[in-house]
Amino acid sequence: DTGVSQDPRHKITKRGQNVTFRCDPISEHNRLYWYRQTLGQGPEFLTYFQNEAQLEKSRLLSDRFSAERPKGSFSTLEIQRTEQGDSAMYLCASSLVQINTGELFFGEGSRLTVL
Amino acid sequence: KQEVTQIPAALSVPEGENLVLNCSFTDSAIYNLQWFRQDPGKGLTSLLLIQSSQREQTSGRLNASLDKSSGRSTLYIAASQPGDSATYLCAVDTGGFKTIFGAGTRLFVKA
Repeated sequence: DTGVSQDPRHKITKRGQNVTFRCDPISEHNRLYWYRQTLGQGPEFLTYFQNEAQLEKSRLLSDRFSAERPKGSFSTLEIQRTEQGDSAMYLCASSLVQINTGELFFGEGSRLTVL
Repeated sequence: KQEVTQIPAALSVPEGENLVLNCSFTDSAIYNLQWFRQDPGKGLTSLLLIQSSQREQTSGRLNASLDKSSGRSTLYIAASQPGDSATYLCAVDTGGFKTIFGAGTRLFVKA
């Protein structure tokens, strides 16, 4: 068990380009979450999956954002036509609903810089 | 709407001091409360999780308490060390899928 893994750790892109982040959760965890964190703030919820089903999306997730979790394993978060306001740390977390504690385990995050 | 506030926003203490970080939340109907540590540019590391039916949890030099009726939690750090320097985040699970975070307390422990 290597914990939650995110890739890439840092992405620099120009405004208008598309970017994709990948998250590999802890292997037996069936819930996967995406959060966004800007400097000096706590993480804000974006979306979550239970197995392969995306069950909730925040209003923060505009139509330029899309997330998938094919086969209930890894997840991708894609941002199309990036804007400077998208610059943030994108954090992935996973949990195991069966143990019923709700404890979240986070990855190291993917930092996005939009020039 | 659940809101989570952490006070102070920043704290600087000399090594060896015992300290308390505060977290308050507006809605007492919570599922659990979790304390995290975040080093600069890094992800979040879980420190302690308190279920809604519990009053406190301890791990090493850390002790977290929960008072749902007053909407408060504290994280007590004993005998602080320079390696404890980080941002500490409080997070409240309202049940279901959404966990609400405070903005954190930035701690600096001086050697």
